[in-house]
Amino acid sequence: GENVEQHPSTLSVQEGDSAVIKCTYSDSASNYFPWYKQELGKGPQLIIDIRSNVGEKKDQRIAVTLNKTAKHFSLHITETQPEDSAVYFCAASYDYKLSFGAGTTVTVRA
Amino acid sequence: SQTIHQWPATLVQPVGSPLSLECTVEGTSNPNLYWYRQAAGRGLQLLFYSVGIGQISSEVPQNLSASRPQDRQFILSSKKLLLSDSGFYLCAWSVQGSGNTIYFGEGSWLTVV
Repeated sequence: GENVEQHPSTLSVQEGDSAVIKCTYSDSASNYFPWYKQELGKGPQLIIDIRSNVGEKKDQRIAVTLNKTAKHFSLHITETQPEDSAVYFCAASYDYKLSFGAGTTVTVRA
Repeated sequence: SQTIHQWPATLVQPVGSPLSLECTVEGTSNPNLYWYRQAAGRGLQLLFYSVGIGQISSEVPQNLSASRPQDRQFILSSKKLLLSDSGFYLCAWSVQGSGNTIYFGEGSWLTVV
């Protein structure tokens, strides 16, 4: 099955700085890569996703890049704000199921 | 628009007692349905998924079972809870087919005492 590794496990950034989270996956058949944001006590919310036929996707302050050859993808958050503090999960899928990374706790310092 | 409802939101159950968590999806037909579990401070583990009524696939053998009695209803059950069953349980859905976005409910906190 698919194995997704996510780094770092915790990330502290100064407000206004950028945050980068990196994930690698093992199954070359994976073709869908979503990112979720989870606030304390709530379910994960999709923030951005990318498919294997695209190398980069951007939505306002959030961008995701995908390198299929190296089997890794990254989340970039620019101009971080206090409301960006949360746990972020990457995931990979080629069928009905998502395999998740272990999560990154992002703290934005004011 | 589609919505997903999951209940109860929190529950405290004694060891050996039964469990029933229920999830319903509105605004879509024939969705894929999922149950995930999240241990405190950890990632999401897929427990069960279903691509249709009565069709349940188990990802991890354990003390839990799932059923899909109706198209948009998914139930997670246990006959006898263990301490290790404590966690945050998340129901989710996606459009039928593979490679589609999965949307999560708000979750149910289960504490087994």
